Amino acid sequence: GQNIDQPTEMTATEGAIVQINCTYQTSGFNGLFWYQQHAGEAPTFLSYNVLDGLEEKGRFSSFLSRSKGYSYLLLKELQMKDSASYLCAVRASGGSYIPTFGRGTSLIVHP
Amino acid sequence: GAVVSQHPSRVICKSGTSVKIECRSLDFQATTMFWYRQFPKKSLMLMATSNEGSKATYEQGVEKDKFLINHASLTLSTLTVTSAHPEDSSFYICSLLGSTDTQYFGPGTRLTVL
Repeated sequence: GQNIDQPTEMTATEGAIVQINCTYQTSGFNGLFWYQQHAGEAPTFLSYNVLDGLEEKGRFSSFLSRSKGYSYLLLKELQMKDSASYLCAVRASGGSYIPTFGRGTSLIVHP
Repeated sequence: GAVVSQHPSRVICKSGTSVKIECRSLDFQATTMFWYRQFPKKSLMLMATSNEGSKATYEQGVEKDKFLINHASLTLSTLTVTSAHPEDSSFYICSLLGSTDTQYFGPGTRLTVL
């Protein structure tokens, strides 16, 4: 099975930088996804990491360390609209190609 | 990416009735779609994998006679919640895999069973 752990809630200030961590334990690894989900809406894709290192996409970056079973999502220049839940999802190898989702981290950005 | 729609966006029904939720792929032919359920402040839980032209594959603990899935075409999958109970109240989301194995989600359906 898979075990995915991320903080339940985080708060940050508009304009700041925030890092949301995700640790996972899985039998085999075939990619890690980050999704953003606003309340009452479906998740939207943010990033995909399958190799170690940092993937940068605008204000959002995602990092992966496969040996440590660890990823983080970095959000820069925070805006109020970034207040949302951020879901870490891990896909195991050799089986279902569907990732398993963590519980999500609720990020609250305040002025 | 793929565009996915769901209908209705929200529905309120009485206990014991059945509710059908449609999931449409608007610009992508999807042989496989996925149905998720999400309770408040909980993770997305995969319920079943919907396969075009064949039976759906259900996850452990999901009753296939209660959650009927039909995937009759490459652009439409339906989920019918039969004999709904208040505990079935949840946010139901469908998704499909795009060409790069990225999941694209529908906007979700909020079901409230009274």
